[in-house]
Amino acid sequence: GAVVSQHPSRVICKSGTSVKIECRSLDFQATTMFWYRQFPKQSLMLMATSNEGSKATYEQGVEKDKFLINHASLTLSTLTVTSAHPEDSSFYICSAIRRDTRYNEQFFGPGTRLTVL
Amino acid sequence: GQNIDQPTEMTATEGAIVQINCTYQTSGFNGLFWYQQHAGEAPTFLSYNVLDGLEEKGRFSSFLSRSKGYSYLLLKELQMKDSASYLCAVRGSGGYQKVTFGTGTKLQVIP
Repeated sequence: GAVVSQHPSRVICKSGTSVKIECRSLDFQATTMFWYRQFPKQSLMLMATSNEGSKATYEQGVEKDKFLINHASLTLSTLTVTSAHPEDSSFYICSAIRRDTRYNEQFFGPGTRLTVL
Repeated sequence: GQNIDQPTEMTATEGAIVQINCTYQTSGFNGLFWYQQHAGEAPTFLSYNVLDGLEEKGRFSSFLSRSKGYSYLLLKELQMKDSASYLCAVRGSGGYQKVTFGTGTKLQVIP
């Protein structure tokens, strides 16, 4: 079956540093990937839509200069949290659309837990 | 915009049947998903409805009424491992097929 990986699975960093999270589709090409953020006991909040070869589309209220997204290839999208602060601590999940599935199914990565000290 | 509502929590007994409701108001509609999410893990796909009616898949069934903006997930023969959050998600009609999630329903199955 389709697999989406994320790296790292867990990261702890100091306030002010930048953290890069990778999202890869392992056995299919994904022209569109999504980045979500999930705070404890809350649902997934869409942050941005990542499109291969073009600029990401950010949701209202998400700072594009703080959350840099690069979709450099058909199998890789990266999210960089710049100058991270404790309030950025969250569970970040990516997903990728596989367009050759019956429902254009969205497959999720395992998530990255970010803790900013 | 999108507005998706689900009950926050539900409790049901092992072996029983539980129905989790979802209502939505969206600017565009191109299908509704149900996902299961265990704590600390990513969501896993359960079902997809784009036409009105019931889709059955083993112990899980999902129903959609587009005119009412309403869906439900039905879980039969509940097992302890079914304790998880269940997320209703609506896909928009835009080109990128953006999926927006509801608040999620935390289901606790008790013996």
